[in-house]
Amino acid sequence: ETGVTQTPRHLVMGMTNKKSLKCEQHLGHNAMYWYKQSAKKPLELMFVYNFKEQTENNSVPSRFSPECPNSSHLFLHLHTLQPEDSALYLCASSRGGDLLGYTFGSGTRLTVV
Amino acid sequence: GQQLNQSPQSMFIQEGEDVSMNCTSSSIFNTWLWYKQDPGEGPVLLIALYKAGELTSNGRLTAQFGITRKDSFLNISASIPSDVGIYFCAGQLENSGGSNYKLTFGKGTLLTVNP
Repeated sequence: ETGVTQTPRHLVMGMTNKKSLKCEQHLGHNAMYWYKQSAKKPLELMFVYNFKEQTENNSVPSRFSPECPNSSHLFLHLHTLQPEDSALYLCASSRGGDLLGYTFGSGTRLTVV
Repeated sequence: GQQLNQSPQSMFIQEGEDVSMNCTSSSIFNTWLWYKQDPGEGPVLLIALYKAGELTSNGRLTAQFGITRKDSFLNISASIPSDVGIYFCAGQLENSGGSNYKLTFGKGTLLTVNP
């Protein structure tokens, strides 16, 4: 148990579907992140939230829509995705700039068909 | 964006051998981190380095923060089968633009250990 829980672990969706990824942390962290991990590429930071406010959007297409209702929960809403969006989506959390406590979830393996 | 060049991309070694991997960049970093990712899991922090020249150990793992602040290496001694996984370097840029929790990652080194 890493302290950061992601659901579902696996998701297969069609290009016309709408789905959501969920991330939950009970570590008392104030910052939460979405990363995309594709084969043979570095982890790509997608979004950063600090105390529920979005502080970073790394030019992510609008078909990915994040939501952070509170400091413990983070969602990634997906709609009209493309096959190249298939990847492992990782959530992470931290207490501000405390990099020692920067904790990743196990990820959601997304396949777009 | 900023890039970390991590090498090698993959390694195949025999159990008991020592392993070395490194990350380099043209940019200066304040912090270097080394993570391991097992299949189906998220990265887990192994070692954190905060000062140029710093040498830190965690069991059989040793990592160093390069004196130029542009590189770092990770050594694993006497490898065992459970060392298998992907190892990532990550750094916090000197000029993070106020985002002092933003990390830049390398592409990873896939380690295979043959028993």
